[in-house]
Amino acid sequence: GQQLNQSPQSMFIQEGEDVSMNCTSSSIFNTWLWYKQDPGEGPVLLIALYKAGELTSNGRLTAQFGITRKDSFLNISASIPSDVGIYFCAGQFYNNNDMRFGAGTRLTVKP
Amino acid sequence: ETGVTQSPTHLIKTRGQQVTLRCSSQSGHNTVSWYQQALGQGPQFIFQYYREEENGRGNFPPRFSGLQFPNYSSELNVNALELDDSALYLCASSPERTSTDTQYFGPGTRLTVL
Repeated sequence: GQQLNQSPQSMFIQEGEDVSMNCTSSSIFNTWLWYKQDPGEGPVLLIALYKAGELTSNGRLTAQFGITRKDSFLNISASIPSDVGIYFCAGQFYNNNDMRFGAGTRLTVKP
Repeated sequence: ETGVTQSPTHLIKTRGQQVTLRCSSQSGHNTVSWYQQALGQGPQFIFQYYREEENGRGNFPPRFSGLQFPNYSSELNVNALELDDSALYLCASSPERTSTDTQYFGPGTRLTVL
């Protein structure tokens, strides 16, 4: 089952606002990833994190890998309508193909 | 557009039946992973195939099986379908077995078991 606790479950924000979501786990992961899934599509990778404490940006997206390797956050700045979708965190153990996903954060952006 | 395609898009089966789902990997990718995504949940890892051999398996019973072909297309087979098998089934291809950051997902097959 899911080993990652992702919050919040859903968010309703106004266009232009900043967004923050996070993930915690009882397990230590080697790699942490953030995905976005649109309706009728598979997840698309947004950011991958490899080192404890690592802070990485991809355009308006910023994500950090927690020092303990058990948590991560994703921030989206100046949200736009196309940011709508479900965001998933995922963790991968060292040398293991089993990737664990959180339950997702559903983001709605009101124009 | 990830270059990963899946068929069929939707499928309806009844309990006890068997189903085969298909995935065509992105060109040059020798690794494929399959995931089950229940409604309102994140994907759950079923198994991975690398160069036609199973290379890791999640917590799924043996009635979930797979095949990968020399052209790197693959199949997911599920026997003795149960109601709880209703889900979106995703495949994801990658150029190497450990490259999760270059793993591309297909659009999925929505399976409904009645």
